[in-house]
Amino acid sequence: QQQVKQSPQSLIVQKGGIPIINCAYENTAFDYFPWYQQFPGKGPALLIAIRPDVSEKKEGRFTISFNKSAKQFSLHIMDSQPGDSATYFCAANTDKLIFGTGTRLQVFP
Amino acid sequence: GAGVSQSPRYKVAKRGQDVALRCDPISGHVSLFWYQQALGQGPEFLTYFQNEAQLDKSGLPSDRFFAERPEGSVSTLKIQRTQQEDSAVYLCASSLAQGVAGGPQDTQYFGPGTRLTVL
Repeated sequence: QQQVKQSPQSLIVQKGGIPIINCAYENTAFDYFPWYQQFPGKGPALLIAIRPDVSEKKEGRFTISFNKSAKQFSLHIMDSQPGDSATYFCAANTDKLIFGTGTRLQVFP
Repeated sequence: GAGVSQSPRYKVAKRGQDVALRCDPISGHVSLFWYQQALGQGPEFLTYFQNEAQLDKSGLPSDRFFAERPEGSVSTLKIQRTQQEDSAVYLCASSLAQGVAGGPQDTQYFGPGTRLTVL
């Protein structure tokens, strides 16, 4: 019940495409859902986050869509760039952050 | 820079050796977290400090793992009698606020990690 399931495991898009990463959870006590971006050899960095009382949040080219009834949320990256190539983790929080297994995104020019 | 720093960046240990991993959080950050990240996986919570108090150690995998933050700033994660399954990247994160309620003050800033390889 503490798991956060993330898909796909990897994603390849061309520059300008809109990759979508999906996450699902079971624990309704989760109250905060951040997304992290991790480059090789670096620690994860917060990208964008949402609370369950909001259905969508946009920050620049990054958008979170949140479906509370389905217990699912997703990250959309608009106009993707090669510099967006990284591993993305969704996470969910109660008293600790629970991370998904990650999605390796590659954006080709 | 003023980010979270960790040392060493890489550590190779022979099975059975003890290791100590250091984390220097962002100055003034109250909360400090340790995570274990296996290859190709997401970070997994190990333990949490609020100042010098260790409030949650539910993620520590065995009693061979021990963490401390005696003065409420620098933290050390110690692994005794290392085993091959301990091989992973150990990440440290700090946040300004107390707790993990979620919000701008609770943003966790991660260090680059220590890659531990146990032979």
